[in-house]
This record gives sequence, C-alpha cells and structure tokens, in this order.
Amino acid sequence: NAGVTQTPKFQVLKTGQSMTLQCAQDMNHNSMYWYRQDPGMGLRLIYYSASEGTTDKGEVPNGYNVSRLNKREFSLRLESAAPSQTSVYFCASHSQRGGRDTQYFGPGTRLTVL
Amino acid sequence: SQQGEEDPQALSIQEGENATMNCSYKTSINNLQWYRQNSGRGLVHLILIRSNEREKHSGRLRVTLDTSKKSSSLLITASRAADTASYFCATHETSYDKVIFGPGTSLSVIP
Repeated sequence: NAGVTQTPKFQVLKTGQSMTLQCAQDMNHNSMYWYRQDPGMGLRLIYYSASEGTTDKGEVPNGYNVSRLNKREFSLRLESAAPSQTSVYFCASHSQRGGRDTQYFGPGTRLTVL
Repeated sequence: SQQGEEDPQALSIQEGENATMNCSYKTSINNLQWYRQNSGRGLVHLILIRSNEREKHSGRLRVTLDTSKKSSSLLITASRAADTASYFCATHETSYDKVIFGPGTSLSVIP
C-alpha cells in the first residue's frame, strides 16, 4: 500500500495562475481532508469530504475548490493563486475501522506564490 | 478560531527528562488525538483517547483527558533526542465528521 500520495511535491506559481493539487489514497477510507500549514499556525482545515460525492468547507475555504472524483481521489484547486496561499498543503484520509480513529497524512506539497 | 490550543508553544529539555504538553479545546468531542511531525514531514498519529476515557498509555507516552475542563495532556517520559519534533493535538468534533488541529508544541530534546 502506498498510503496517501500527493502531487506535486513542490510548486511555484505567479499571482493569478491556477493549479490543482492531487491526492490519492489506497486504503479504502471514506473521509478525506485538505489542510494548509503555515509557520506557527499549525494545520488549518480547508475542505473535507466525508464520503464519495460529498464535500464540506473547513476553517479556511476561501480561494479554494475541491473535487472528490471517486473514493480514492480528492483534489484541491486554486483558481487564481495569491501570495497569501503560499503554504504547505497536506492531504489526509481518515479511518474509523476496528475502533481506531486515525488520520493518515500525505508527504505534503510546498507551494510558493510569487 | 482553532478548536485545539497547545501549551507551551515551544519546549526545550535535556535528554532523559520528561516532557509535558497541554491541549485545550472548546466544543464537545468524540475523541482527542495526538500527532507528531518531524521537520519537513507529514504528521504521524501517536495516540487517541476517547471522550469516555481519562488516561491512556502507549510505550513512553501517557495521555490524560479531562472533559469537564476540556483539556488534555501528553507526557513523554525519559525523552530522547529523537523525540525532537512538533506535537499536535487534534479533536474529532461530535457534531461534524471533521478533525481540527491545534497550532502545536515544538519540542527540542538536547542530548
């Protein structure tokens, strides 16, 4: 199992450009999440998807859109990137099987918006 | 505002000492989890404590939960240099199927 994979690992954008961050999990989890992490701010939830076909806003959804393409994949799109979106983005999937309640994280995408 | 808030923000101790980190939260929760993040890496799940539990152990980790005070603590005993990392508490809210993280505690263990 690869767990949670994210692409790309690094990206530099100019203000106004768009891009999509890809996330996939092979653990058959229902829930998936997108977080951003800024220095000293911890993780902030952008969007989450409790199951295939559903998405909900988190704490900081403005400037982002998401697509839960199927059970495996949950993508995050920046339509018009802004310098304030410079951050490290983490995707996670969530399991509640067997009494566990655990999030599994991808390696992150470092995004810089100039 | 964030659900979980860790205290202290940064902690520096000598190898062999115990490290205690605290977390406070605001709403009703199903459970509280602690995660660890090494510099530049993703988060790794350490331990989960349910809302009806008061204390849990896993190796050198001890977690307590006080739902009346809406607070939790993580104790790492006999710390090692390899424990140097950031530690985050995360709460699984009762009302929503989402997990909210606090800002984290940065732990430095000096050899």
